[in-house]
Amino acid sequence: DSGVTQTPKHLITATGQRVTLRCSPRSGDLSVYWYQQSLDQGLQFLIQYYNGEERAKGNILERFSAQQFPDLHSELNLSSLELGDSALYFCASSALALSYNEQFFGPGTRLTVL
Amino acid sequence: AQSVTQLGSHVSVSEGALVLLRCNYSSSVPPYLFWYVQYPNQGLQLLLKYTSAATLVKGINGFEAEFKKSETSFHLTKPSAHMSDAAEYFCAVSVSRGGSNYKLTFGKGTLLTVNP
Repeated sequence: DSGVTQTPKHLITATGQRVTLRCSPRSGDLSVYWYQQSLDQGLQFLIQYYNGEERAKGNILERFSAQQFPDLHSELNLSSLELGDSALYFCASSALALSYNEQFFGPGTRLTVL
Repeated sequence: AQSVTQLGSHVSVSEGALVLLRCNYSSSVPPYLFWYVQYPNQGLQLLLKYTSAATLVKGINGFEAEFKKSETSFHLTKPSAHMSDAAEYFCAVSVSRGGSNYKLTFGKGTLLTVNP
């Protein structure tokens, strides 16, 4: 158990819908990262937050947005969903925002868009 | 931009045999390198990391990796495979820019199968 929790574990929805994925980092970790894992694209970095502020952006679509709240939990919002958005979404956390910090991964949310 | 190439999407070994999973990186600045393991239906777990201290890095579960700058490689090895090592392994690179952490860039992964 990494100490990172993600809810829900599974999510099935329809095209055009909007969903919210939630992540609680390990106690004391200030940095949260979101990744998308799919068969064709592999593991792709989406976005990073550090202590409530956006720190880095990766291959995140404009239909996707995220935020980190004062209690440090984070939410990833996916809207106007398409079939291709079906994937495993991971949240990770690290103590600080340093390149050599280990990132601890949550169990993931499996999103299926029908 | 940094990148990682994992040679071999699938590696099969016999129980007790040497495990060798290959990873080559590309980075214009000194990298930090990581190996993660993903068991079925689970998140990623860190096996080991290279942060410019020792070039031979020992990790959990008997795994180790050697950073070779001249070959831009960070191959993962284990002397004797166990059935429980069957999983997908990801090599990742991170670089520092101005003291800030940036994304982990992952390789495509190598699925390790261990045969009895």
